[in-house]
Amino acid sequence: GQQVMQIPQYQHVQEGEDFTTYCNSSTTLSNIQWYKQRPGGHPVFLIQLVKSGEVKKQKRLTFQFGEAKKNSSLHITATQTTDVGTYFCAAKGAQKLVFGQGTRLTINP
Amino acid sequence: EPEVTQTPSHQVTQMGQEVILRCVPISNHLYFYWYRQILGQKVEFLVSFYNNEISEKSEIFDDQFSVERPDGSNFTLKIRSTKLEDSAMYFCASSDMGGTGNTIYFGEGSWLTVV
Repeated sequence: GQQVMQIPQYQHVQEGEDFTTYCNSSTTLSNIQWYKQRPGGHPVFLIQLVKSGEVKKQKRLTFQFGEAKKNSSLHITATQTTDVGTYFCAAKGAQKLVFGQGTRLTINP
Repeated sequence: EPEVTQTPSHQVTQMGQEVILRCVPISNHLYFYWYRQILGQKVEFLVSFYNNEISEKSEIFDDQFSVERPDGSNFTLKIRSTKLEDSAMYFCASSDMGGTGNTIYFGEGSWLTVV
């Protein structure tokens, strides 16, 4: 079945540093979604990318979808303690989401 | 903002016992899902449900699992005879449409501990 690989598994940064997580698939994706899960919480939808080469921004978060639609990234500029959590990419099929392993972000204030 | 609600938030059960996890999806949504997340691992798809029938299920969703929409609002996941490895957070989710382009909204989860 479809698999989505995500790296790194963990990332620890100082507050104010940037953070990036990467998502890769061996097959072309119709779309990619990103979710944030706070510690002890549930996945919360952040954004969906559909078009080849698409770039979307939400304040300090920048999301990219690769030209070949096989990879995606999430970049956070100048992290804040509120950014703590696990960030998942997920490939959306007709009936289900296939999640990556997630990148757990911790921040030193 | 409308939300998916789940009960119970936490359940401890003995191995071999039956468990029913309950969910109330967002009211105008037509597609319902169950996902699970073993502690520290990724979120895994279990089953999707539309028009009163299962539309897709994963390998995890074996004969011990079943889903039901007993009335117009509830969506339940039943595990017939729980095993230790069923211990996980179970998330219910819903969406207003199927297809690749729609947002899936997750509930806060039901944490199941099998002892």
